[in-house]
Amino acid sequence: GAVVSQHPSWVICKSGTSVKIECRSLDFQATTMFWYRQFPKQSLMLMATSNEGSKATYEQGVEKDKFLINHASLTLSTLTVTSAHPEDSSFYICSAGGIWSYNEQFFGPGTRLTVL
Amino acid sequence: AQRVTQPEKLLSVFKGAPVELKCNYSYSGSPELFWYVQYSRQRLQLLLRHISRESIKGFTADLNKGETSFHLKKPFAQEEDSAMYYCALTPSGSRLTFGEGTQLTVNP
Repeated sequence: GAVVSQHPSWVICKSGTSVKIECRSLDFQATTMFWYRQFPKQSLMLMATSNEGSKATYEQGVEKDKFLINHASLTLSTLTVTSAHPEDSSFYICSAGGIWSYNEQFFGPGTRLTVL
Repeated sequence: AQRVTQPEKLLSVFKGAPVELKCNYSYSGSPELFWYVQYSRQRLQLLLRHISRESIKGFTADLNKGETSFHLKKPFAQEEDSAMYYCALTPSGSRLTFGEGTQLTVNP
């Protein structure tokens, strides 16, 4: 199956700083990637849909100025958490999929963000 | 708006016993439904989807449009089935809406 990687796998940062998380499709081209957030013992919540070469589509309630998404190439999407606060601490997961995969989404391993 | 409900957060069965993980959905159209599984320390992966109508690792799931359900079943649970299971729905082939997940534990 298709492989999606994320970097870093975990990151600790100070409050007020920005953190960038990378999501890469290793063996396929992903025109669309998805970013999820997962709190402990809770489900995945879709944050935004990242489209290559265009602006991301954010879900209701997600601050687009806080969670900046860039999808500059067919194999890379980045999520930047700007001016991070402790409440942004979470597990962030990306995925890729679409019609080409018959709607199956392939998930990255996730990034654990801890904001001190 | 679509919604997926998994009423059981935790489910524990003994090895060899049948297991059923419940999933109900709400959506006015004809969605596509999936079961995703996350084994310990591994990433989320697709287990099966309703349009395939196939059995994966002994699991099956039938879409019941009348009851708006997509329950996951296995007649004889194995210890290696212990994992977190998520039911998910997509109305249009892109955005996935996940249920809250059911942690299945199969005891020896």
